Amino acid sequence: QLQLQESGPGLVKPSATLSLTCTVSGGSISSSDSYWAWIRQPPGKGLEWIGYIYSSGTAYYNPSLSSRVTISADTSNSHFSLELSSVTAADTAVYYCARRSLSTGYSFDYWGQGTLVAVSS
Amino acid sequence: QSALTQPASVSGSLGQSITISCTGSRNDIGTYNLVSWYQQHPGKAPKFIIHEVTKRPSGVSDRFSGSKSGNTASLTISGVQAEDEADYYCCSYAGSRTFFGTGTKVTVL
Repeated sequence: QLQLQESGPGLVKPSATLSLTCTVSGGSISSSDSYWAWIRQPPGKGLEWIGYIYSSGTAYYNPSLSSRVTISADTSNSHFSLELSSVTAADTAVYYCARRSLSTGYSFDYWGQGTLVAVSS
Repeated sequence: QSALTQPASVSGSLGQSITISCTGSRNDIGTYNLVSWYQQHPGKAPKFIIHEVTKRPSGVSDRFSGSKSGNTASLTISGVQAEDEADYYCCSYAGSRTFFGTGTKVTVL
């Protein structure tokens, strides 16, 4: 059974860089069937796609965040990471990592439990 | 374009059927049969319940069904149960991008 687990600081200062890691177990992040995604949800609001990375290393970003986002993958250690620069209070959200699977029509079939990141001084 | 449009709330009595709509454009729902739906209970991660418009993953109740017409996808919950009270989100493939719906809160009366 595939499992994903987010980790990282729960509090980030304004203008700093938010960094999170998602550790994947029970499967390989090198799988050609999978993209590895970051999705966020501000408190009381809906889901927002941040971006995803394919096994080839190619990453795709939400255009509204692309100037501040970097997603990378470490296949040898089965994790992938998110960096979001120049954060503001608007970046306060629960951040989820998820698998986007080609075999289920690009749906997000496995999710981490989510981690709340607050941006505050 | 940003999010797909869903009604903010839908309610139904126990055992009734309810339908949630998800309206996009010809660039996403209208072109691709790659719509998925997610159920989210408070404080929990979303759970995927429909993929490729109509397909149910293993273990998901057959009370959930999906459909699509033109630029609008729909999720129907037949015989709604108390445990179905949750937020629901649609999602569509759009080439290199992905769009989520605005979310619908389902209340079971």
